[in-house]
Amino acid sequence: EADIYQTPRYLVIGTGKKITLECSQTMGHDKMYWYQQDPGMELHLIHYSYGVNSTEKGDLSSESTVSRIRTEHFPLTLESARPSHTSQYLCASSLTKGTQYFGPGTRLTVL
Amino acid sequence: DQQVKQNSPSLSVQEGRISILNCDYTNSMFDYFLWYKKYPAEGPTFLISISSIKDKNEDGRFTVFLNKSAKHLSLHIVPSQPGDSAVYFCAATGNFNKFYFGSGTKLNVKP
Repeated sequence: EADIYQTPRYLVIGTGKKITLECSQTMGHDKMYWYQQDPGMELHLIHYSYGVNSTEKGDLSSESTVSRIRTEHFPLTLESARPSHTSQYLCASSLTKGTQYFGPGTRLTVL
Repeated sequence: DQQVKQNSPSLSVQEGRISILNCDYTNSMFDYFLWYKKYPAEGPTFLISISSIKDKNEDGRFTVFLNKSAKHLSLHIVPSQPGDSAVYFCAATGNFNKFYFGSGTKLNVKP
């Protein structure tokens, strides 16, 4: 059982609001990832981090930003939410050469 | 261009029979492959993996087969149970830095 947590699980918010999606893991994994997934589609990598103070943009362009100040914490921020940001956001972590484990996800709806 | 493809969006199987889910990849640098199971509004759960040095890996009712020459892998579930009904994603990585996912196959196991 992977110990990776995401909050909130569901979020409905109005256009223009700033939001932060939280992701924490207690496994000491050095690598962490954010994916965006819509129904019937593959998971798209939007951000990843290989360690503290290391962040990179993924293959899918995203207006969100991330930070990695502590090993266990990898929050994602949207400065101004729009309806096009409506999606499921999945956080994952892994060891240097290990399987990727996922959190439960955040379902974001922007009205 | 999608590097991991699952060409069957859905599969329906009778309880007790075998379920076979297929996945193709294009990048010959991939050397580690994984299968995940996902329920709606939840994060993917790791099922089973296989390294490119093997052609088969078994864990209980789940077996993954890898055909490197065809760049093809499959997940066999025997016997299938109604609780197996979910979306199954295959994933691949070449260096454990980035993981690439297919678009998923929705499995329905009928009682």
